[in-house]
Amino acid sequence: NAGVTQTPKFQVLKTGQSMTLQCAQDMNHNSMYWYRQDPGMGLRLIYYSASEGTTDKGEVPNGYNVSRLNKREFSLRLESAAPSQTSVYFCASRRDSSTDTQYFGPGTRLTVL
Amino acid sequence: AQTVTQSQPEMSVQEAETVTLSCTYDTSENNYYLFWYKQPPSRQMILVIRQEAYKQQNATENRFSVNFQKAAKSFSLKISDSQLGDTAMYFCASPNNAGNMLTFGGGTRLMVKP
Repeated sequence: NAGVTQTPKFQVLKTGQSMTLQCAQDMNHNSMYWYRQDPGMGLRLIYYSASEGTTDKGEVPNGYNVSRLNKREFSLRLESAAPSQTSVYFCASRRDSSTDTQYFGPGTRLTVL
Repeated sequence: AQTVTQSQPEMSVQEAETVTLSCTYDTSENNYYLFWYKQPPSRQMILVIRQEAYKQQNATENRFSVNFQKAAKSFSLKISDSQLGDTAMYFCASPNNAGNMLTFGGGTRLMVKP
């Protein structure tokens, strides 16, 4: 039981390049989330998916797109990376409701030069 | 917008002593859970403890306990018998008004000194 997995663990991009961060969970959870964490700060929600086939914007969605490929997988895409998107990205999942615990992946450290 | 406030950016405690980290929130949900997460240098977000808002009894998990004051919307974390491995960032989180996402506080960096 791997929980929540993320790939890659580290990535360096040049301004304007694109990339996709992958996330998968094997806990049969319905809801999945993408957060970013800037140095010395808390997590801010980028996008979430309450169930397969649905996605919604969070607090800081600009510059990102997401795809809920199936129940297990939720990807985050940067179409044209900017230095302001340098951050650590976390994927999380939870079973259903607001009373359920969110479980986090190990994070992806992204640097945009 | 929801806000979760952790008023102590940094704290330190001697090994084996007790420390309390504070958190206030402002959700208008009636039935909700509150969460404390630990983030050690490895970056992994680890659930420490969670509190059910409709329960008056404070949650405890071994050396970790909460002081939950629902009317004041306060949710502090007490760590007893602090250990060097408790050194980490600690984040509290509460649900937004729709209950479909969590809002995190800015974190408290805790240093346990030998």
